[in-house]
Parts: sequence; C-alpha cells; structure tokens
Amino acid sequence: DTEVTQTPKHLVMGMTNKKSLKCEQHMGHRAMYWYKQKAKKPPELMFVYSYEKLSINESVPSRFSPECPNSSLLNLHLHALQPEDSALYLCASSPRTRNTGELFFGEGSRLTVL
Amino acid sequence: DQQVKQNSPSLSVQEGRISILNCDYTNSMFDYFLWYKKYPAEGPTFLISISSIKDKNEDGRFTVFLNKSAKHLSLHIVPSQPGDSAVYFCAASATGSGAGSYQLTFGKGTKLSVIP
Repeated sequence: DTEVTQTPKHLVMGMTNKKSLKCEQHMGHRAMYWYKQKAKKPPELMFVYSYEKLSINESVPSRFSPECPNSSLLNLHLHALQPEDSALYLCASSPRTRNTGELFFGEGSRLTVL
Repeated sequence: DQQVKQNSPSLSVQEGRISILNCDYTNSMFDYFLWYKKYPAEGPTFLISISSIKDKNEDGRFTVFLNKSAKHLSLHIVPSQPGDSAVYFCAASATGSGAGSYQLTFGKGTKLSVIP
C-alpha cells in the first residue's frame, strides 16, 4: 500500500461550522504533513508531525487544529474558518523524519468556506 | 521573497521531443532538490530528486541537472509523451539540523503540455 488517503475529497462549510479533514497512510511513515495550496500557487507547509508529535507549526491560525491520534492517522480540525481559507488541503507522509523531501501526497481535500 | 522560482508558467512540446523545465533558487542552504508532477484533482507525485553533492541524476526518461554555482536546476524529459502533460513543481529542502530541515519549499509550477 503506497497510498495516502484523504477524506473528504470535497467539503463546503459555513464560517460557524466545525469540521475535520482526515488523512491515513499505511506505509509505516513516521512523519506526516499538512500543506495548503491555493489556486496557481505552490503548496505551503502548515504542520509537521514526527513520531506523532507536532514538530512544526508554520504560524498557522488557531482555527486550524491538527491532531495525530496514531502513526497512521492525521486529522485537521477546522473551526470558525474564513472564506480566504478556501483551498486544497494536502496531506503527505515521508519515510524519514529528517526531511529530504520525498513526500507522498494524498489527492487533497478541496475546502470551500462560505 | 520566493526562494524557489519557476519562471515559465507553461511549456508546450511535441511528442517525442525533449522537454526542459527550469528552476532557480536563492537560498544557499538548500541541499536537496526534487521535482514533483501534479495532475488535476490529484496530489503531487514525487518524480526525481538530486542531492547537492551531485550534478546529475537520471531515472529512465527523466534527468535532473544541478548547477550549484548558478543556483539552477533543470528537468529533462526525453522523449516526451502525452501522458507527461501535467504541472511540474520544483522543490528544495535544507536538510541540515534545526526546524528548517522539515521545510520543503515549492516553486509555483510549470504546466507542461505534450502535443501528440
């Protein structure tokens, strides 16, 4: 299994909603990542988990709350988002916790905030 | 300030010919470089990488060249195939110690169209 699976693929939510994005991998990777990608822009790093511990938070607003329940799962909890948070949210994993950049990406969750 | 630059937003190439995608970087701490390929509605897929101790890495039809003095790398695809049509992202990493070792910095991407 060489896949990173993200659910849901599409999510529409209001600014007062609480929702979660989920990511799963069964490759035994111990580093997992959340990236955000806006249209015609490169992916931007949000969070890095290494051995289920948050190691990087790239100054992401608190309305985004990551969680890593175990080595295979990564969640991104969303609350009180703004329309400008609409984007493609990509989950990735890597076989190394020291990043040489060989990330395996999921297909992404397309988020629309109304 | 963009640390990884892909100055060509798009490129069209005839099937069978060579595709050359270019990338420039500004951060001297970058020591590992990668190319990712992205189809619409899919996440980026790792294609090929190169360490700064090398100047060339080859994998089948794909070759990446690194010119450290010019802070420039390029991806060559020979021969180009219609299935290669996608957006190609250049990315760089500083693998030294510290929090920055987790950061993968992407360029804005180049959309390659291979014409049959």
